[in-house]
Amino acid sequence: DGGITQSPKYLFRKEGQNVTLSCEQNLNHDAMYWYRQDPGQGLRLIYYSQIVNDFQKGDIAEGYSVSREKKESFPLTVTSAQKNPTAFYLCASSIGGTLVKNIQYFGAGTRLSVL
Amino acid sequence: DAKTTQPNSMESNEEEPVHLPCNHSTISGTDYIHWYRQLPSQGPEYVIHGLTSNVNNRMASLAIAEDRKSSTLILHRATLRDAAVYYCILRDFGNEKLTFGTGTRLTIIP
Repeated sequence: DGGITQSPKYLFRKEGQNVTLSCEQNLNHDAMYWYRQDPGQGLRLIYYSQIVNDFQKGDIAEGYSVSREKKESFPLTVTSAQKNPTAFYLCASSIGGTLVKNIQYFGAGTRLSVL
Repeated sequence: DAKTTQPNSMESNEEEPVHLPCNHSTISGTDYIHWYRQLPSQGPEYVIHGLTSNVNNRMASLAIAEDRKSSTLILHRATLRDAAVYYCILRDFGNEKLTFGTGTRLTIIP
């Protein structure tokens, strides 16, 4: 089935450790996104990529890094510089471009906690 | 970005229609109104979008006020599976980003 796969479902980070969240899509979408969601809050954009080998910072990029070496993959690294990483992380993809009906399709999320 | 205002929570009885309001008094002429919903512990999913005219699809209907300063998402016959947080989002034509507020938490009463 076509869709977005995020792994792992749950992740624990130790103090000072970098961790990488995986996001893979087989929808042949150009654009991919990473969001963070804190309890009871809406989603906030961390990074997004409109095409391979290019990405832009979102609203809360500090302490995070991404890469986009392949169309289907957009991994997110939560670095030790992110002092409050506990949150629900969501990856999304869309066709891209300026189409009006540029629907974003979301994965099931990764829940990150600090040990 | 233009902002939206939604009630924090609503309740509805199962098998009855649900009307979820959204105010967007500063909407610009090129802003499209998008609705997404998020079921518990899942990622959001697209529901519907519109510009000026009312829209229908298999999931819901979107009623847009004539002055476009407000809109209403209509679920015609709520089921327990419709219990979710519903987000009303304004998206400018040409802008790929979605800005999520806190949405409306819809509870369906059996």
